[in-house]
Amino acid sequence: ELKVEQNPLFLSMQEGKNYTIYCNYSTTSDRLYWYRQDPGKSLESLFVLLSNGAVKQEGRLMASLDTKARLSTLHITAAVHDLSATYFCAGPISGGGADGLTFGKGTHLIIQP
Amino acid sequence: KAGVTQTPRYLIKTRGQQVTLSCSPISGHRSVSWYQQTPGQGLQFLFEYFSETQRNKGNFPGRFSGRQFSNSRSEMNVSTLELGDSALYLCASSRGANTEAFFGQGTRLTVV
Repeated sequence: ELKVEQNPLFLSMQEGKNYTIYCNYSTTSDRLYWYRQDPGKSLESLFVLLSNGAVKQEGRLMASLDTKARLSTLHITAAVHDLSATYFCAGPISGGGADGLTFGKGTHLIIQP
Repeated sequence: KAGVTQTPRYLIKTRGQQVTLSCSPISGHRSVSWYQQTPGQGLQFLFEYFSETQRNKGNFPGRFSGRQFSNSRSEMNVSTLELGDSALYLCASSRGANTEAFFGQGTRLTVV
């Protein structure tokens, strides 16, 4: 069964700075997902990474997947306050085509002016 | 296009009671999965249904059960509620494996 580890779990940064959130996973997986959660809210899908070397960008966020290293990264460029949230990476619990995700513990990101 | 709809949004129950939560997926989505979110344990997978069949189940006691109807709507039931069952229960729908999963707003269950 897939295990997902994120780091850091807590990140406080200033506006305008760049930073990267790391997501390591335990077994071979060709899929990785990133979600955002605002306090008291549900999960918002950010990126779906479906193959080795996949890179996707949306605004100031860029996600990548390295299946050989079992690593995905979420890079934040020139952070703004609106990006303050908790970010989760997730992978499929098991193979065989059945859905169901294992989540990391989340990275609580605070961006200060 | 309507998103994933969960009802009710908030629920307060007493220990020992049972509860049923409902999830209506996005139109055309046949996979529905359920998750429990707590501050201590984070997001944990409960089970997943596709075309009325449970395909995957997480590590939860038998008090947690679910089902899916022919219109893809899903319900989950928790019997003999315990204080530790207090959590945000999230439902997600997708077209199937390898596709994006969209989450509902969740049901906040408080057990007193």
